[in-house]
Amino acid sequence: AQSVTQLGSHVSVSEGALVLLRCNYSSSVPPYLFWYVQYPNQGLQLLLKYTTGATLVKGINGFEAEFKKSETSFHLTKPSAHMSDAAEYFCAVTSNTGFQKLVFGTGTRLLVSP
Amino acid sequence: EAGVVQSPRYKIIEKKQPVAFWCNPISGHNTLYWYLQNLGQGPELLIRYENEEAVDDSQLPKDRFSAERLKGVDSTLKIQPAELGDSAVYLCASSVDTGTGELFFGEGSRLTVL
Repeated sequence: AQSVTQLGSHVSVSEGALVLLRCNYSSSVPPYLFWYVQYPNQGLQLLLKYTTGATLVKGINGFEAEFKKSETSFHLTKPSAHMSDAAEYFCAVTSNTGFQKLVFGTGTRLLVSP
Repeated sequence: EAGVVQSPRYKIIEKKQPVAFWCNPISGHNTLYWYLQNLGQGPELLIRYENEEAVDDSQLPKDRFSAERLKGVDSTLKIQPAELGDSAVYLCASSVDTGTGELFFGEGSRLTVL
């Protein structure tokens, strides 16, 4: 079975500071990894994904994530936080074999202060 | 392009009453998902459709939940009778295929059972 663990249910940063949201995964087969963002009262939106190839992936709104197999991690970063980045972020995993059932983490709420 | 449309956005009912949620996926998306999102949790898959066929309903509590996707387009999720523990957000998502994990979500239907 696949799973993801998001460390920290809440992360607070100041505007302009580095954003780091942590995600560790568990998978017995090569994973596909995703970050989704959910703004208040909205549905989830794909931020970025890793399937194969380059381990550093770039997404929308200046976010990026790096797949590290040795650490089973897929942490999300952004060099400089903006007030509009305040939202809930979900890491998710699926496999590259058979039907891919997307399994979500419990989410990390990012708070950005002026 | 229109996104995934869900209705109603909010529903308040008393326990033991029935409730239904409707979803219209993005045009051309053959795969449709219903997810359950409890407060402070990530989405959990309830059922997945490939066209009009329910190909994964293992997480759907079949004693009180039912779903249908007639004609392989829009879908309805029903709960009868509702229980207090069913209070949650019910998310609908669609995708072009099941191979990439790239899901497009609606805004969700928030159910409150009193």
